Amino acid sequence: GAVVSQHPSRVICKSGTSVKIECRSLDFQATTMFWYRQFPKQSLMLMATSNEGSKATYEQGVEKDKFLINHASLTLSTLTVTSAHPEDSSFYICSAAGQGEAYEQYFGPGTRLTVT
Amino acid sequence: QKEVEQDPGPLSVPEGAIVSLNCTYSNSAFQYFMWYRQYSRKGPELLMYTYSSGNKEDGRFTAQVDKSSKYISLFIRDSQPSDSATYLCAMASGGSYKLIFGSGTRLLVRP
Repeated sequence: GAVVSQHPSRVICKSGTSVKIECRSLDFQATTMFWYRQFPKQSLMLMATSNEGSKATYEQGVEKDKFLINHASLTLSTLTVTSAHPEDSSFYICSAAGQGEAYEQYFGPGTRLTVT
Repeated sequence: QKEVEQDPGPLSVPEGAIVSLNCTYSNSAFQYFMWYRQYSRKGPELLMYTYSSGNKEDGRFTAQVDKSSKYISLFIRDSQPSDSATYLCAMASGGSYKLIFGSGTRLLVRP
């Protein structure tokens, strides 16, 4: 149980375009989903927290207009990187909580974004 | 000072060894403590979840929390080459689901 999927696993896009990443909880209902980014050999940095049906809460320093988050259902959250730039290239990982304690977050496999 | 400190390693041990991984923290409000394993270019996998102080055992893994010392540990018995990965500690305080991660310790188990 507690499986979280992400799609796509890898994406390359041109500077100025937008990219959407999907995060799905496959076998449980995720009341809360989280989006992280991870730079090489560094730890995970929380970008935003989203609850189903409400606006996401962004961490300090994260541009909400650039990183659009939608948590449309209890099993799906999306992250859209708008007007991507090379500095947005990173590993984006989502996690979901809702099975048992909310502190038990289950992570997706991650999406590697490369902006050329 | 970071809220959570973790030695980045790498830590290299022979197969079968007992591995000890540690994190220290400064925020006394942390009550929830997690250990994650992350293979290269993959998402973290939850290994252990502990609330407050004490020990928790699951198979070859034992998690210890010492809140008085603000110190947590993960022990891996009979380590295997497949345990080679980066191990991340994470913590949260009551009332906030935000996890604060350590920087991760890279473990290499030599056959």
